[in-house]
Amino acid sequence: DAGVIQSPRHEVTEMGQEVTLRCKPISGHNSLFWYRQTMMRGLELLIYFNNNVPIDDSGMPEDRFSAKMPNASFSTLKIQPSEPRDSAVYFCASSLGNTNTGELFFGEGSRLTVL
Amino acid sequence: AQKITQTQPGMFVQEKEAVTLDCTYDTSDPSYGLFWYKQPSSGEMIFLIYQGSYDQQNATEGRYSLNFQKARKSANLVISASQLGDSAMYFCAMRGYGNQFYFGTGTSLTVIP
Repeated sequence: DAGVIQSPRHEVTEMGQEVTLRCKPISGHNSLFWYRQTMMRGLELLIYFNNNVPIDDSGMPEDRFSAKMPNASFSTLKIQPSEPRDSAVYFCASSLGNTNTGELFFGEGSRLTVL
Repeated sequence: AQKITQTQPGMFVQEKEAVTLDCTYDTSDPSYGLFWYKQPSSGEMIFLIYQGSYDQQNATEGRYSLNFQKARKSANLVISASQLGDSAMYFCAMRGYGNQFYFGTGTSLTVIP
């Protein structure tokens, strides 16, 4: 089975540009999570969805960030406008079920550099 | 609010020795899950082991075991017979009733030949 698929793997953009990160969760998984990883802040939970519905977006840093999950097989994380401090690795992860027993399966991450 | 604390930024262990990575947590949820992940230098996140809050026995997966002390709210990872390939970042995580999945700040483990 294919794992969690993220694209792009690497993105270099200039400040002020719009960035869209994409994620395809594992088929059948009904929970999806977006994380940001930096040296300073570690792994931060940005938002997570259950059955395509955003449940908790309290980790989204500010209004420049938005996330959608239009269907069970696709999610996007958008940054508009981007800033240098958004440079990080963004991970998407999915899991089966919405209990506390299912582990997260991570994608390989999208490394974003904002110049 | 849930919180995961890993107090060891970096650890060193001699090859073939055992090492314990510390993790404490704080939650008011009656039911929760505790997880450990490994992140090698290549960057991927690899699931290692899971412990449920109601599990009576400590979880084990090969060379990994989780020393779960519920009263102390600790979930330490023990790696036995360390190998050079164990050098990586290790993250403790907790999943609570609300399905949030939070990670600690990680411990960098270096295995010395």
